[in-house]
Amino acid sequence: NAGVMQNPRHLVRRRGQEARLRCSPMKGHSHVYWYRQLPEEGLKFMVYLQKENIIDESGMPKERFSAEFPKEGPSILRIQQVVRGDSAAYFCASSPLGTATEAFFGQGTRLTVV
Amino acid sequence: QQQVKQSPQSLIVQKGGIPIINCAYENTAFDYFPWYQQFPGKGPALLIAIRPDVSEKKEGRFTISFNKSAKQFSLHIMDSQPGDSATYFCAATLTGANNLFFGTGTRLTVIP
Repeated sequence: NAGVMQNPRHLVRRRGQEARLRCSPMKGHSHVYWYRQLPEEGLKFMVYLQKENIIDESGMPKERFSAEFPKEGPSILRIQQVVRGDSAAYFCASSPLGTATEAFFGQGTRLTVV
Repeated sequence: QQQVKQSPQSLIVQKGGIPIINCAYENTAFDYFPWYQQFPGKGPALLIAIRPDVSEKKEGRFTISFNKSAKQFSLHIMDSQPGDSATYFCAATLTGANNLFFGTGTRLTVIP
């Protein structure tokens, strides 16, 4: 059973471009969480999704950021018009029952905005 | 507002030493306190977790001590090894909640 798969592992974007981060949850998991880790900081919750639904987006910046988890395929975190401050590691976690206490994390996507 | 405060920021110990990492939380409703271990380039991995109905939990060389009245909990690593060198994060949440609140991390280095 493969773990949570994130790709790409590293992503470089110029200011103003779009970044798309993908997350495939563990087999049998239908709940996905996205966290952001800024340099020298802990992880901060961004959004929680179930298949085709956003359940909690209380941690998402109001502009430029969006997330989806379609019926088929991976969850996508999309950042439009990236700025230098978006440079961070973005981690996805998945769980089978929708509780954060049972979530497993992927290896992350490290976004660098130049 | 930082819901979970963690210290120290970094820690260096000799092999065999007992590093201690401390965390304090604000929300008295929190009822689940996990510790995560993160190696460079990897995602956080759950190490050990405790609920407030016990004051201590031990798994192998890792022990969590929990003080409910002080709203503090700590991680002790017995007989530390160079392979334990990693960043450790404490976290807190409520059962059934959507998210974990993480501390800022402690970078541990165990010198051979």
